[in-house]
Amino acid sequence: QVQLVQSGAEVKKPGASVKVSCKASGYTFTSYGISWVRQAPGQGLEWMGWISAYNGNTNYAQKLQGRVTMTTDTSTSTAYMELRSLRSDDTAVYYCAREPVLVAAAPFDYWGQGTLVTVSS
Amino acid sequence: SYVLTQPPSVSVAPGKTARITCGGNNIGSKSVHWYQQKPGQAPVLVIYYDSDRPSGIPERFSGSNSGNTATLTISRVEAGDEADYYCQVWDSSSEVFGTGTKVTVL
Repeated sequence: QVQLVQSGAEVKKPGASVKVSCKASGYTFTSYGISWVRQAPGQGLEWMGWISAYNGNTNYAQKLQGRVTMTTDTSTSTAYMELRSLRSDDTAVYYCAREPVLVAAAPFDYWGQGTLVTVSS
Repeated sequence: SYVLTQPPSVSVAPGKTARITCGGNNIGSKSVHWYQQKPGQAPVLVIYYDSDRPSGIPERFSGSNSGNTATLTISRVEAGDEADYYCQVWDSSSEVFGTGTKVTVL
């Protein structure tokens, strides 16, 4: 069965960086992309960006351009999201989600369990 | 940027029908997906491409999309349907989520 298992909770100070992992299993990793979505406490869902596990192409939300980097390791079927220069308003649960590559406007059919990132001095 | 507007809350009695709207400029020309999120859990896809249901999602969940409004309909509502619901579209190289609707079962 398809599973996306994310790394554990993180506590970071303002200005630091965080790197969250998302290990995929149960499907052919390179046939899909991974999007990252975050949710601040009590708030809605915010898309952060997408990476193709097929060729590494990325597409980042304009709001996060320059602060976020998404990568994949096809040898371990793992996707990573690094966010730099953390601020208090980056405190959120971060989710990875699977979507097909080469399919227009595809849905996120499987999600990771979420990783809480807390930014606090 | 593209904006999707949902009512903050919808209340419905058990066994009745809940309708959750998602408003956007000419949204009928886009593909709409819907997610259910229960407290402390990750979102779950309940409707994709306007009206298709993933396997395992009850037939009570249905969707439609036309003009400036997409609608998620939950028939014969059960207590277990109480959750937040989000619509989502792809627009101008970005994924956009709706503001979210909390469904309360009375």
